[in-house]
Amino acid sequence: TQLLEQSPQFLSIQEGENLTVYCNSSSVFSSLQWYRQEPGEGPVLLVTVVTGGEVKKLKRLTFQFGDARKDSSLHITAAQTGDTGLYLCARLYNQGGKLIFGQGTELSVKP
Amino acid sequence: SQTIHQWPATLVQPVGSPLSLECTVEGTSNPNLYWYRQAAGRGLQLLFYSVGIGQISSEVPQNLSASRPQDRQFILSSKKLLLSDSGFYLCAWRDRQGGQEQYFGPGTRLTVT
Repeated sequence: TQLLEQSPQFLSIQEGENLTVYCNSSSVFSSLQWYRQEPGEGPVLLVTVVTGGEVKKLKRLTFQFGDARKDSSLHITAAQTGDTGLYLCARLYNQGGKLIFGQGTELSVKP
Repeated sequence: SQTIHQWPATLVQPVGSPLSLECTVEGTSNPNLYWYRQAAGRGLQLLFYSVGIGQISSEVPQNLSASRPQDRQFILSSKKLLLSDSGFYLCAWRDRQGGQEQYFGPGTRLTVT
C-alpha cells in the first residue's frame, strides 16, 4: 500500500485569503479523489481526477492532477468560513474499489 | 434514494469487553462495503472491505473482525477491546455497477476506557 502525504497538516487563515494544499506520493496512481469532512460526520467526495495534468474546478475550488500522476493540489480562492473542515486526498484502487487516504489537511477559516 | 445507517452513534466500553458495530445500507443492491477507523480527526485507515455476502478482506492485522451476513449489512466486531481501539469508525458503500464515489455513514464514536 503506497502512502499519500498531505501538506500542510494544519492551516489557519482569514476569510478572503487564498490557499493551496498538496497531496504527494512516490508512486504513480491511476486516479485520485479529494474529500471534505466536517467534525463528527463522514467525508463527502469533492472530485475525482484521472488524467495527468487534469484541472477541475468546483466553484472557488481548483483541483489539479500532476502530469506524472504522482501528486495533486487543491487551491481555494477567497476562502470562506464555510470552507473550514478536514480535506482528504485518497487513492482509488481497482481491487475492491478501496480507498487509501492521506492524513488530511485541517483547514480553519476565521472571519 | 440510498441511505446508510450506523449504530450506535457513540459508545463507551471498558478494556476487554466485546464490541459490535452495525452498518446497513438502503436503496441499493450488491454494494461494496467498507469499514474505516479515524483517529483524532486525521486520515481514515481502511480496516475491512467486502465485495459480497460472506466475502471479507482485511487490510490490517488487529483484534477486530468483520462480517457480512446479508447483502446490505456489515458488522464490525471484537472479542476483547484494547485502549488503542478508540476512534471514530466509519462505514461506507460503493455502487459496484458504476461510479467511483464512496458514500459514508454518520460514524460511531468509540471510547475504550
